[in-house]
Amino acid sequence: AQSVTQPDIHITVSEGASLELRCNYSYGATPYLFWYVQSPGQGLQLLLKYFSGDTLVQGIKGFEAEFKRSQSSFNLRKPSVHWSDAAEYFCAVGGPRDDKIIFGKGTRLHILP
Amino acid sequence: EAQVTQNPRYLITVTGKKLTVTCSQNMNHEYMSWYRQDPGLGLRQIYYSMNVEVTDKGDVPEGYKVSRKEKRNFPLILESPSPNQTSLYFCASSAGGGPSSYNEQFFGPGTRLTVL
Repeated sequence: AQSVTQPDIHITVSEGASLELRCNYSYGATPYLFWYVQSPGQGLQLLLKYFSGDTLVQGIKGFEAEFKRSQSSFNLRKPSVHWSDAAEYFCAVGGPRDDKIIFGKGTRLHILP
Repeated sequence: EAQVTQNPRYLITVTGKKLTVTCSQNMNHEYMSWYRQDPGLGLRQIYYSMNVEVTDKGDVPEGYKVSRKEKRNFPLILESPSPNQTSLYFCASSAGGGPSSYNEQFFGPGTRLTVL
């Protein structure tokens, strides 16, 4: 069965520090992978997606993610976080024949000044 | 401006009183979906629609109804709301084959529903 695990419910980093949010997936074939961000009081916004090809994908707001098939992971990274990055981040998985995607439970990112 | 709108944004109601949450998109998207978001559970899909007059159950459809009579609108209906339907609801839309495709899924701002 398809599933997404985000092991960290909360993460706190200092402004300017690097960030890595973890995502592990379970999927029977080559997955499509997504990261969404939800700012406080807002709907979700797509940060980036992986379908095929280069395993390092670039997204908006300076984020990137790396697909590692051997580890069933799709971790999100940013070299230097800004206070405005404080939000909840969702990883999601789907596939070419799927008419929906499955979301993880989210990781809430807190930024220390 | 391309957007998904939901109304109302906040609603407090009582058990058993029928309600409708409206969702409208102005991007001519074929695919529309409803999710609920609960603390510690992430987003769970309630219903989705691949196109007009086509709707399917998601992961948590019990207690909800939807209709898709027009491409732009996808209302969520709670015929007899119960307290366990207290949640944050999101409507979303995307072009073509839905969110698991090359087409980005756009989300509305959310509707916070409290059922007393």
